Amino acid sequence: NAGVTQTPKFQVLKTGQSMTLQCAQDMNHNSMYWYRQDPGMGLRLIYYSASEGTTDKGEVPNGYNVSRLNKREFSLRLESAAPSQTSVYFCALTRGYINSYEQYFGPGTRLTVT
Amino acid sequence: ELKVEQNPLFLSMQEGKNYTIYCNYSTTSDRLYWYRQDPGKSLESLFVLLSNGAVKQEGRLMASLDTKARLSTLHITAAVHDLSATYFCAVPSGNTPLVFGKGTRLSVIA
Repeated sequence: NAGVTQTPKFQVLKTGQSMTLQCAQDMNHNSMYWYRQDPGMGLRLIYYSASEGTTDKGEVPNGYNVSRLNKREFSLRLESAAPSQTSVYFCALTRGYINSYEQYFGPGTRLTVT
Repeated sequence: ELKVEQNPLFLSMQEGKNYTIYCNYSTTSDRLYWYRQDPGKSLESLFVLLSNGAVKQEGRLMASLDTKARLSTLHITAAVHDLSATYFCAVPSGNTPLVFGKGTRLSVIA
């Protein structure tokens, strides 16, 4: 996962606390994504950004906000954490070309909300 | 709304045996992706299938795509312990990002 870094790797929050998950890439790609992974649920898209300054909601956006201030970074913010947001969060980007692209994932952030 | 279904969700198989994981999807797509995830790790791309009839192989794994049947298979030949992992298929829908199946947790036992 050398091209995509996520911080922190682990985090424990109390209900109601806020925090920002950071994702940064050094691969110069436009599209970036935030997914959450829960046992038995696969990966579900929270938000994505097709380019700097643009963001769109995915399947499960409630309780989250995102920011894409530059091409390199895409952050995910939990304003008031809830136990239901306990999950593993993956940042991803799309690499390749229109007819041959794939998503490349960061190492993940394991978040526990108590 | 695109739905992606994998089966089985859990698979325990003996070393040396063959087995197939299935991935069905509900709307038209001309491509499909397979990923592998080891416990506590991120997702790693295995195969990108870009057209009807596409077949790709790497080692003991072979993936195929039938876009008319909306079906992809991941075939495991002569399983070894190192193949134990969770395998995901994923499908794009138009211009939307990938929709993932729930994953198949494979355990290869001696």
